[in-house]
Amino acid sequence: EAGVVQSPRYKIIEKKQPVAFWCNPISGHNTLYWYLQNLGQGPELLIRYENEEAVDDSQLPKDRFSAERLKGVDSTLKIQPAELGDSAVYLCASSLFQENEQYFGPGTRLTVT
Amino acid sequence: KQEVTQIPAALSVPEGENLVLNCSFTDSAIYNLQWFRQDPGKGLTSLLLIQSSQREQTSGRLNASLDKSSGRSTLYIAASQPGDSATYLCAVRITQGGSEKLVFGKGTKLTVNP
Repeated sequence: EAGVVQSPRYKIIEKKQPVAFWCNPISGHNTLYWYLQNLGQGPELLIRYENEEAVDDSQLPKDRFSAERLKGVDSTLKIQPAELGDSAVYLCASSLFQENEQYFGPGTRLTVT
Repeated sequence: KQEVTQIPAALSVPEGENLVLNCSFTDSAIYNLQWFRQDPGKGLTSLLLIQSSQREQTSGRLNASLDKSSGRSTLYIAASQPGDSATYLCAVRITQGGSEKLVFGKGTKLTVNP
């Protein structure tokens, strides 16, 4: 069974540029999560989807971050415009339902110069 | 606010040694606790999940315990191997703002020297 797929794995952009990350969850998983992980820290939840509905986006900086999961499968996380402080690893995870074990993708390492 | 602390931040041991990683949390109202492993440049791999009603879980050379009343969990690794070198994260599942979420510690970076 394929795991959670993320792309790109690495991205380097200049500040003020837009960037987008893509996630394909495990087949059949209803719940999808985007996390932010800074160096030396644990992951912090940005947004959680139940199918195509964003049910918890309280930690998502909505002035520059947006996300979508149009058909309840793949998801895209966008930053526009990027700032230096956005440099981090962006992890996607999925689970069958909210209460089930989460499976993580390899992450996208973003560097903003 | 739930806070998760992991001690030590880093640990270096010789191969073959048994070791214990510690995790503490401030609010005992948790659904479960999960231990993850993270290799450099990779995502998180779930190792063990302990429900709030359980005391411990075992998988191979790994044993995780949970004392919810004192807000503590330990991950015991027996007969450590160089391949165990990674960062180990613990996370508690809580309800916040009407939805469930995982709150992570900062991790313990383990190095097992051959």
